[in-house]
Amino acid sequence: GAVVSQHPSWVICKSGTSVKIECRSLDFQATTMFWYRQFPKQSLMLMATSNEGSKATYEQGVEKDKFLINHASLTLSTLTVTSAHPEDSSFYICSAGSKGGWGNQPQHFGDGTRLSIL
Amino acid sequence: SQKIEQNSEALNIQEGKTATLTCNYTNYSPAYLQWYRQDPGRGPVFLLLIRENEKEKRKERLKVTFDTTLKQSLFHITASQPADSATYLCALDNNNAGNMLTFGGGTRLMVKP
Repeated sequence: GAVVSQHPSWVICKSGTSVKIECRSLDFQATTMFWYRQFPKQSLMLMATSNEGSKATYEQGVEKDKFLINHASLTLSTLTVTSAHPEDSSFYICSAGSKGGWGNQPQHFGDGTRLSIL
Repeated sequence: SQKIEQNSEALNIQEGKTATLTCNYTNYSPAYLQWYRQDPGRGPVFLLLIRENEKEKRKERLKVTFDTTLKQSLFHITASQPADSATYLCALDNNNAGNMLTFGGGTRLMVKP
């Protein structure tokens, strides 16, 4: 099946640090990638939709200047949490769709990044 | 408002029994419904997709039903095994949001040997 690699798997850093998370589709071209955040025992909350070569579309309440998304190629999207604070600590997961990732196609998820801000 | 509800309490069953998980939704008219498995500290893994005009879908020990009148999907695992223990998420495409997926809160399944 389709493989999505997410790196790093966990990060612990001081408040004020910027953290970059990479999401790669290894065996298919992902024109669209999705970024989610998940708090303990809660569902995945979509943060933004990332389209190759264009600006990301952010969900309501997600600060685009705080969570910078870049999707420069068909196989790589990055999420940068700028000037991270303890309230940004969460589990961040990316996914990619083999044909855009809409409801009629499965989404292929990375294994997530556990971000802990001290 | 739109809601996707899954039983937040863990479902505990004995090995060999059939596990049945429920996904109810309100104020949605999804064309597709998907089920995923998520293990602790991992990303979700796609299991099954069912379309609105399909009543039932099977894959090995898994069965999904989709009742658009009741606005409900049932997810069954027959002959359950301890290895089936995980959190199971249902996801609906949201016609009002470009058909992107919206996830339910998930139900944790514990299969005891």
